[in-house]
Amino acid sequence: AQKVTQAQTEISVVEKEDVTLDCVYETRDTTYYLFWYKQPPSGELVFLIRRNSFDEQNEISGRYSWNFQKSTSSFNFTITASQVVDSAVYFCALSLYSGAGSYQLTFGKGTKLSVIP
Amino acid sequence: SAVISQKPSRDICQRGTSLTIQCQVDSQVTMMFWYRQQPGQSLTLIATANQGSEATYESGFVIDKFPISRPNLTFSTLTVSNMSPEDSSIYLCSVEDSVGVDTQYFGPGTRLTVL
Repeated sequence: AQKVTQAQTEISVVEKEDVTLDCVYETRDTTYYLFWYKQPPSGELVFLIRRNSFDEQNEISGRYSWNFQKSTSSFNFTITASQVVDSAVYFCALSLYSGAGSYQLTFGKGTKLSVIP
Repeated sequence: SAVISQKPSRDICQRGTSLTIQCQVDSQVTMMFWYRQQPGQSLTLIATANQGSEATYESGFVIDKFPISRPNLTFSTLTVSNMSPEDSSIYLCSVEDSVGVDTQYFGPGTRLTVL
């Protein structure tokens, strides 16, 4: 069975600090996808990144970066120079093929990030 | 990515009543999904809705409680029936942007409070 663990329930940082959100996943499948989503207080889930299991190259997008390590089954997310607008709940998710042309997402419990001005 | 809208954005309902939530997409999509997010919790998949076939429900969710319609490739509804306070949640629909592409994009959600 698949599982996603986000051990950090809540994190508070002061603006301009760097922060890393941890994500550990479990699956027996060799083909899978990993995601990060952001959920601001408005409630909408915003897609941030998708990474497939065969691509361990780290990615940087502006102040955001992601570190994927299959050896430790981790897909961590770092925000550099955090801003108040980064305050949100961040979800890590694992996607596996469920048949009939569909993929099924399994979400972690989320990490609530508060950036204090 | 597809643009997804949901109606209503929020509602307050009385126990025992039903609410139908609409999800509209600006392009044709094969797969649509309905999720529930209880207060302070993660997202749980309720069902997968394909056009022209019955929705597929996840363990713990039944059609009588959460009937789903999928009349075409751009629209779906989820009804929460015979509501109780435990149904108070955010309900989100999502779509896979293209067949075989696994990224799901989410609508803005419907915040439901049951009194």
